[in-house]
Amino acid sequence: NAGVTQTPKFQVLKTGQSMTLQCAQDMNHNSMYWYRQDPGMGLRLIYYSASEGTTDKGEVPNGYNVSRLNKREFSLRLESAAPSQTSVYFCASSETVGRPQHFGDGTRLSIL
Amino acid sequence: EDQVTQSPEALRLQEGESSSLNCSYTVSGLRGLFWYRQDPGKGPEFLFTLYSAGEEKEKERLKATLTKKESFLHITAPKPEDSATYLCAVQGSSNTGKLIFGQGTTLQVKP
Repeated sequence: NAGVTQTPKFQVLKTGQSMTLQCAQDMNHNSMYWYRQDPGMGLRLIYYSASEGTTDKGEVPNGYNVSRLNKREFSLRLESAAPSQTSVYFCASSETVGRPQHFGDGTRLSIL
Repeated sequence: EDQVTQSPEALRLQEGESSSLNCSYTVSGLRGLFWYRQDPGKGPEFLFTLYSAGEEKEKERLKATLTKKESFLHITAPKPEDSATYLCAVQGSSNTGKLIFGQGTTLQVKP
């Protein structure tokens, strides 16, 4: 039971570099989400995709872009990384919006 | 603005010492309140969904309850393996698809 798989698990970037975080789910879920988790701030929604072909901004979308590649995959891109984007990034999926979300184990991203 | 506050921030219990975690919320039209457990280095693991005041859900030593303003996660006779951070989140009618998370309660159960 893979559930939600995120790659990579760890990454170190320099300021200004770009990278894409990958997420795939094998539960046939329609909705997918990207969160960041910072000490003292809790989990905050970056972007979500209610269904294949749609994406919407969450609470903290600035500096990020997303692509819903197909029903299984939802990627998060940092075009020009900044130290403020150092965080743990979690991908989640749910059957539909409003149903319980199931999370991957995160990508730990450090930007120097 | 939808908001979730969890208390206490940290809780230390002896094995077998029952207690409760609190999740207070303000939301326009509650569509669901969710409890998650998060272990260090892992993603949140779904525990319960509560949809309306008066609803209760149970799983092993955990019981979640819901009123119009708050939810409680009761832990009965906890064991060391219950040590984790417990997260509460709400979804309101004005934020379709968006969960608003509290900052969590970190529980440590000592043998």
